[in-house]
Amino acid sequence: EVQLVESGGGLVQPGRSLRLSCTASGFIFGDYAMSWVRQAPGKGLEWVGFIRSKAYGGTTEYAASVKGRFTISRDDSKSIAYLQMNSLKTEDTAVYYCTRVEGSGKAYSSGWYGSYYMDVWGKGTTVTVSS
Amino acid sequence: QSVLTQPPSVSAAPGQKVTISCSGSTSNIGNNYVSWYQHLPGTAPKLLIYENNKRPSGIPDRFSGSKSGTSATLGITGLQTGDEADYYCGTWDSSLSAGVFGGGTKLTVL
Repeated sequence: EVQLVESGGGLVQPGRSLRLSCTASGFIFGDYAMSWVRQAPGKGLEWVGFIRSKAYGGTTEYAASVKGRFTISRDDSKSIAYLQMNSLKTEDTAVYYCTRVEGSGKAYSSGWYGSYYMDVWGKGTTVTVSS
Repeated sequence: QSVLTQPPSVSAAPGQKVTISCSGSTSNIGNNYVSWYQHLPGTAPKLLIYENNKRPSGIPDRFSGSKSGTSATLGITGLQTGDEADYYCGTWDSSLSAGVFGGGTKLTVL
């Protein structure tokens, strides 16, 4: 069974750091890009960022709201994706979901174009940033 | 303010049909594929439609997707009370180099 399990959430003070983990099973983790999506209380889904597979350089992209503060990494030997969150703000309070990313496309001078979707989701882990 | 625009809510009676719209721009929907997700509170979101109109295995054909220009539409026929959920459209934004979602639409089956 294909499964993603997030862990590491909790209560943290503003300005502090927290690292979330996403443990995958049931598929070849290294073959896939992985992303993080969050949902703040009473709000909609917000894409946080993603990491490409090693075959595509293992590079990352981030939402403007977290760029420079959050870092996504992966350990393919352990089938784990990480979300390192630094300088946390109260507005980072949310349920954080790990997802598997599918799709394909092409890079042009104006950007990457194609298919990008999240086909497997974890149940989420809650992060509360409060003093 | 979400990059993609969805109506906040839609409603219909059991057995009826409903459509949910998703509006974007040339940097996202206009030049990339659209996906749709169903989210029941307290559960993991579920992929309903990918690449504009394809259904993953296990998703009934009551759910359909379409795209025209910079807009996309999710259709649900034969509404059931179990379809009550929040629905989100999503795609890649080539100018932002980021994934983007709509603000979500709450479906009520009256």
